[in-house]
Amino acid sequence: AQSVTQLDSHVSVSEGTPVLLRCNYSSSYSPSLFWYVQHPNKGLQLLLKYTSAATLVKGINGFEAEFKKSETSFHLTKPSAHMSDAAEYFCVVSDTGGKLIFGQGTELSVKP
Amino acid sequence: EAGVTQSPTHLIKTRGQQATLRCSPISGHTSVYWYQQALGLGLQFLLWYDEGEERNRGNFPPRFSGRQFPNYSSELNVNALELEDSALYLCASSLDPGVIYTGELFFGEGSRLTVL
Repeated sequence: AQSVTQLDSHVSVSEGTPVLLRCNYSSSYSPSLFWYVQHPNKGLQLLLKYTSAATLVKGINGFEAEFKKSETSFHLTKPSAHMSDAAEYFCVVSDTGGKLIFGQGTELSVKP
Repeated sequence: EAGVTQSPTHLIKTRGQQATLRCSPISGHTSVYWYQQALGLGLQFLLWYDEGEERNRGNFPPRFSGRQFPNYSSELNVNALELEDSALYLCASSLDPGVIYTGELFFGEGSRLTVL
């Protein structure tokens, strides 16, 4: 069965410092993995996706994620946080039947 | 180009009543998905419609049902409402019917259902 675990429910960083949001996955086959972002009172938006091509994936707004099979991880990073990055971030794995399995979410706060 | 639109934005019902939520996908998208985002439970897959047919449903009781119309818009019905049905209901659409290949769902802003 497919699952994802987001290791932190809340992360707080200062503006201009690096961001690290951690995600581990479990999959019975080669997974497709994604990160989505949800800003307050907005719909979810796809940040980036891994679908068995390059293991280092670049997304929108300067975010990246690295697929590490040996560690079953897909952590999201950004070199320098911006105030506008404050939002909830979801690590997601695809399942059969048109289904996406969402992690519990990590709320990112950015302090000035 | 218009995104995924959902109505109503907010809906308040009492236990035992029925709720109907509506979704219009992005033009050209034939697949529509419904997710429930309840406090403390995260996003849970509810239903997937493609070309007017229900293709898959999540682990929800039969009182959660829906349909997809010929214009690909969709409706989610929740019968015999219970307090725990209070949640944000998100609709999404995609070009890729199975979503497993691209993972790119385009989400609406949701309909918040409150059951009193």
